[in-house]
Amino acid sequence: DTGVSQDPRHKITKRGQNVTFRCDPISEHNRLYWYRQTLGQGPEFLTYFQNEAQLEKSRLLSDRFSAERPKGSFSTLEIQRTEQGDSAMYLCASSYPPVGQETQYFGPGTRLLVL
Amino acid sequence: SQQGEEDPQALSIQEGENATMNCSYKTSINNLQWYRQNSGRGLVHLILIRSNEREKHSGRLRVTLDTSKKSSSLLITASRAADTASYFCATDAGDYKLSFGAGTTVTVRA
Repeated sequence: DTGVSQDPRHKITKRGQNVTFRCDPISEHNRLYWYRQTLGQGPEFLTYFQNEAQLEKSRLLSDRFSAERPKGSFSTLEIQRTEQGDSAMYLCASSYPPVGQETQYFGPGTRLLVL
Repeated sequence: SQQGEEDPQALSIQEGENATMNCSYKTSINNLQWYRQNSGRGLVHLILIRSNEREKHSGRLRVTLDTSKKSSSLLITASRAADTASYFCATDAGDYKLSFGAGTTVTVRA
């Protein structure tokens, strides 16, 4: 068990470009979450999946953002037409939630800088 | 919006001392979790306490929960330089979304 992995770890892009991030959850974890963290703040929930179904999306997730989890394993988060305000750390987490195991395990994050 | 608020925002202590930080939240919860984050890194889960629990221990960590006051505290005993990090409380209202506070930055001086 290698934990949650995210790729890339760092991304620098120019305003207006599209970027895509990948998250590989802990194997057998059927829930996967995306959060965004700006400097000096705690993470904010963006969206989550149970298996391949996207069950909830935050109001923070504008129509420029799209997330997928096509086979219920890895997930991608795409940001189209990036803006400077998108600069943040994007964190992925996974869990396997029978009652009593609600802990979310986080990956190392992808740090995005939009110039 | 963030539900939790940690207090203090920053804490500086000598190695070997205890560190206490508090978390207040606004709505009913299913559980409350504490995480640690080293600079620029991902979050490491420390401890989860359920709404029907009042106190929990894990190694040098002690967490309390007072649902009537909507508050929790994290105590780190006998601090070490490696405890230098930001600490976040996160609430789960039963909908699997964690709501984090802005964190407490702890610096342990050698």
